[in-house]
Amino acid sequence: DVKVTQSSRYLVKRTGEKVFLECVQDMDHENMFWYRQDPGLGLRLIYFSYDVKMKEKGDIPEGYSVSREKKERFSLILESASTNQTSMYLCASSLSGVNRRKLFFGSGTQLSVL
Amino acid sequence: AQKITQTQPGMFVQEKEAVTLDCTYDTSDPSYGLFWYKQPSSGEMIFLIYQGSYDQQNATEGRYSLNFQKARKSANLVISASQLGDSAMYFCAMREGNSGGSNYKLTFGKGTLLTVNP
Repeated sequence: DVKVTQSSRYLVKRTGEKVFLECVQDMDHENMFWYRQDPGLGLRLIYFSYDVKMKEKGDIPEGYSVSREKKERFSLILESASTNQTSMYLCASSLSGVNRRKLFFGSGTQLSVL
Repeated sequence: AQKITQTQPGMFVQEKEAVTLDCTYDTSDPSYGLFWYKQPSSGEMIFLIYQGSYDQQNATEGRYSLNFQKARKSANLVISASQLGDSAMYFCAMREGNSGGSNYKLTFGKGTLLTVNP
């Protein structure tokens, strides 16, 4: 089975801190994604990457950056955390190829910024 | 404009009955894929079913079927014989294009919370 692992299930940080959310997948997937999930808003794409060192902005990239130095690892960085970044963060990965490639998700990181 | 619209914030169904969760989509790309995911209270996202824009038949996976009406741009999920364990948030999602790279992202709807009553 594909495994997408997010480093923390719960995280509490203070306003202004630099925050790293780590995601690792073990199935050699080319594509990796970071979404945030908020009640009533569904999942919104922050950033994604379709190859090592490649990244593209999603729908809500402001206040975030990403890093993908190795194929299996995709990091989400909050340079200066703010309270409006309190959210559930979901990492996902998928193979390239045909259109039907589904996303495999990690279990999520609930981030609280105080 | 929203690419994926789920108009039902919440739905209730009696155990053993069928339920339909609505999803409409907006795209001008002739090649696209539609997905449904389930998210129980534990938070994991579980893939349920996929429908491609060129697929001739509606997709089915066990108790799940997708009522794909291309002209109406709708992709409703039908769950037959509901079970208590079906209580969860359900998300419809779309991938546009088929040429790789940035076309691999999924756009999600806001979700429908399904509650199955005993």
